[in-house]
Amino acid sequence: DAGVIQSPRHEVTEMGQEVTLRCKPISGHNSLFWYRQTMMRGLELLIYFNNNVPIDDSGMPEDRFSAKMPNASFSTLKIQPSEPRDSAVYFCASSSQQVRYSYGYTFGSGTRLTVV
Amino acid sequence: QQQVKQSPQSLIVQKGGISIINCAYENTAFDYFPWYQQFPGKGPALLIAIRPDVSEKKEGRFTISFNKSAKQFSLHIMDSQPGDSATYFCAALLYNQGGKLIFGQGTELSVKP
Repeated sequence: DAGVIQSPRHEVTEMGQEVTLRCKPISGHNSLFWYRQTMMRGLELLIYFNNNVPIDDSGMPEDRFSAKMPNASFSTLKIQPSEPRDSAVYFCASSSQQVRYSYGYTFGSGTRLTVV
Repeated sequence: QQQVKQSPQSLIVQKGGISIINCAYENTAFDYFPWYQQFPGKGPALLIAIRPDVSEKKEGRFTISFNKSAKQFSLHIMDSQPGDSATYFCAALLYNQGGKLIFGQGTELSVKP
């Protein structure tokens, strides 16, 4: 199993540019989560999907952020336009909710975003 | 209400000692309590987890103690090793909200040789 795959690993972009982060969840997992990690705010849940449907996007900081999951094997998080305060590590995680109490999230290795 | 409070923020322990990290929550709808371990440059990885109907769970050197009435749970690392140096996150799950996982702020553990 290749695990959760995120790309790119690192992204440096100029303020105002569009940034797209990508995630491939583990095959068979039906839930996908996007988190942002910073020193100040820790791990923040941005949005999550169940069976490709967005369930809760209340953590998305602003309208500049959007996420899609067009199919069970792919999701994107887009920031347009990007700002320096968006600099963080963005994690994607997936899980299977088939059996309660027997699952946990599997995280990807993250995308380190730097907006200059 | 959906916060999980974690302490301490950082912890230094001598090799062979016991590391203890504490977490507290308010929302009684949380119904699963995992701990995650994160090494620099990596994503968090599931370490150990406990159900709310169990007071203790042990896996090797790692033990979770859970106090449902106090709404507190803690991670104990016995015989701490330098390889345990990492950031540890407690978390609480809302299964009936699509498996939403709320994380504590994290504890940076350093085990000195």
